[in-house]
Amino acid sequence: DAKTTQPPSMDCAEGRAANLPCNHSTISGNEYVYWYRQIHSQGPQYIIHGLKNNETNEMASLIITEDRKSSTLILPHATLRDTAVYYCIVRDSGGSNYKLTFGKGTLLTVNP
Amino acid sequence: DAGVIQSPRHEVTEMGQEVTLRCKPISGHNSLFWYRQTMMRGLELLIYFNNNVPIDDSGMPEDRFSAKMPNASFSTLKIQPSEPRDSAVYFCASNPTGGNQPQHFGDGTRLSIL
Repeated sequence: DAKTTQPPSMDCAEGRAANLPCNHSTISGNEYVYWYRQIHSQGPQYIIHGLKNNETNEMASLIITEDRKSSTLILPHATLRDTAVYYCIVRDSGGSNYKLTFGKGTLLTVNP
Repeated sequence: DAGVIQSPRHEVTEMGQEVTLRCKPISGHNSLFWYRQTMMRGLELLIYFNNNVPIDDSGMPEDRFSAKMPNASFSTLKIQPSEPRDSAVYFCASNPTGGNQPQHFGDGTRLSIL
């Protein structure tokens, strides 16, 4: 069963911020939100993850709502190389819940 | 830093042949995962190793598939005999065990069974 809901596709102009939404309304207290992306013919690439606080790294920012039922991945200045399928995944950090369950993700197309 | 290394990148072989895919995890990572990706089924977990021991092989499709991890720096996924429906991209991933550490993926092996 899918734990996250993402739009199937989005477009973004090069140089602009790309904001990718994800709904995870059934997330539990100890589940983290992970974002990966997959560029054609490459392996999934880890981007960022968080529990409840907003996170930022060299690739992106992750904004998680206060109720944790949704989040947004922000690519501040999208480039053509950011065109990829972006996956939002929720996963329990403890016990044996090691599986990453990939849904269909969002195909982000960055246009010149 | 070296990431997860998989070989070969591409493999084309005839039905019935044995296929061996190889993976070198990131040094210091003690969890290793094998995934398979197809258009129809997306990314699926096949097997999970922790400290070289198989913990969950419930995703392995059938007895034709086997995986080993003889040491912390090497794992193999073997298909014998191979069938056309095994054609897919096979990914290996690794992470440090426990907590919220993310899995890091290799670039995969694109397998075509004719």
